[in-house]
Amino acid sequence: QKEVEQDPGPLSVPEGAIVSLNCTYSNSAFQYFMWYRQYSRKGPELLMYTYSSGNKEDGRFTAQVDKSSKYISLFIRDSQPSDSATYLCAMSGNTGGFKTIFGAGTRLFVKA
Amino acid sequence: GAVVSQHPSWVICKSGTSVKIECRSLDFQATTMFWYRQFPKQSLMLMATSNEGSKATYEQGVEKDKFLINHASLTLSTLTVTSAHPEDSSFYICSAPDGPTNEKLFFGSGTQLSVL
Repeated sequence: QKEVEQDPGPLSVPEGAIVSLNCTYSNSAFQYFMWYRQYSRKGPELLMYTYSSGNKEDGRFTAQVDKSSKYISLFIRDSQPSDSATYLCAMSGNTGGFKTIFGAGTRLFVKA
Repeated sequence: GAVVSQHPSWVICKSGTSVKIECRSLDFQATTMFWYRQFPKQSLMLMATSNEGSKATYEQGVEKDKFLINHASLTLSTLTVTSAHPEDSSFYICSAPDGPTNEKLFFGSGTQLSVL
């Protein structure tokens, strides 16, 4: 079993839709939960990070962490074609020297 | 946010040659940098952790003699793929953390290596 599971997609939605991206994990020691966006043939960029459980909102993006279920989500409201990219969840904790573990990434296509 | 510059963006080389990839932190000092490899439609695979002034720490299965890492200053880490072969063709990316807990990683733009 992988430490972090993420459906690779692809996920195709119409412009304006609400997108839900999710990851599950197995290591209860994870404390930091991140979402990165990666455009094709580019390095990932940090979208959001959350410490422990709870919600965090930034513009059209909302990150949720449910540590009891070992489940994290990223919601994108009013999705735009420019949101088309691969979204990687990532997490780290104070075991293993805060080594960041990445999910496989979900490819998202937002159709105009 | 912090900027990490990676060069070159792409390189084509003949089998048996060596290729050097540079990763620079432009507006902050990075005592640690990470090097990843990414195959098409797959996630990032951590290859090694580069530590300024000391030896790099390699992940299991990564050949340290093939992937030479040097972190000679607080703003520069280099990855040299020695005696490259077609199976080394991949997308290589570096990153630097914003702090000791790595919750913010700043990535370079990546280097596409093609070995003929």
